[in-house]
Amino acid sequence: AQTVTQSQPEMSVQEAETVTLSCTYDTSENNYYLFWYKQPPSRQMILVIRQEAYKQQNATENRFSVNFQKAAKSFSLKISDSQLGDTAMYFCAFMKGPGTYKYIFGTGTRLKVLA
Amino acid sequence: EADIYQTPRYLVIGTGKKITLECSQTMGHDKMYWYQQDPGMELHLIHYSYGVNSTEKGDLSSESTVSRIRTEHFPLTLESARPSHTSQYLCASGPLGTAGRNSPLHFGNGTRLTVT
Repeated sequence: AQTVTQSQPEMSVQEAETVTLSCTYDTSENNYYLFWYKQPPSRQMILVIRQEAYKQQNATENRFSVNFQKAAKSFSLKISDSQLGDTAMYFCAFMKGPGTYKYIFGTGTRLKVLA
Repeated sequence: EADIYQTPRYLVIGTGKKITLECSQTMGHDKMYWYQQDPGMELHLIHYSYGVNSTEKGDLSSESTVSRIRTEHFPLTLESARPSHTSQYLCASGPLGTAGRNSPLHFGNGTRLTVT
């Protein structure tokens, strides 16, 4: 069975600095999809960034980028120039594909950006 | 702007009551999911559906039931609420097929349920 592990329950970072959230997963599949979701306090969960396992190039979305290491089964999220609005729970998620659409979520990392 | 709607946003009820949590989406998504999440904690999949008349139980044992009579609607029902059901319930949806392989889930704002 697939598992997703986020080993950092809580992190903090100074505004404008860079922080990296870690995520590891376990799977025997070769084709799958990885996501980072953000859940601000009392607000809707939204997608931050996604990565297809067959793509070697790391995904980037503005200040957010990933370091995808397929052999190591690692999928870390780097947030550059952290902003107060980045304060949220961040969840790493795995989806095996194609043929199934069950998403496996990690336990989350609570990130606090300090002014 | 929310494309997936959950009602009610907050609900406080007494033990033994029957409740239905509503979830509707306007995006025509075939995939729909219900997750249970204690505040600030991980998400647990309790039910999912890949289309009309398709429902499956998730990884977390739940006393709730779901139905999928219409594509846009995926209500969750608790026949007899208990204090152990106190939690937040998140509904999510996404497309099937090729588009669904790497498309993100769209989440509702959640229903925070308290059973007294």
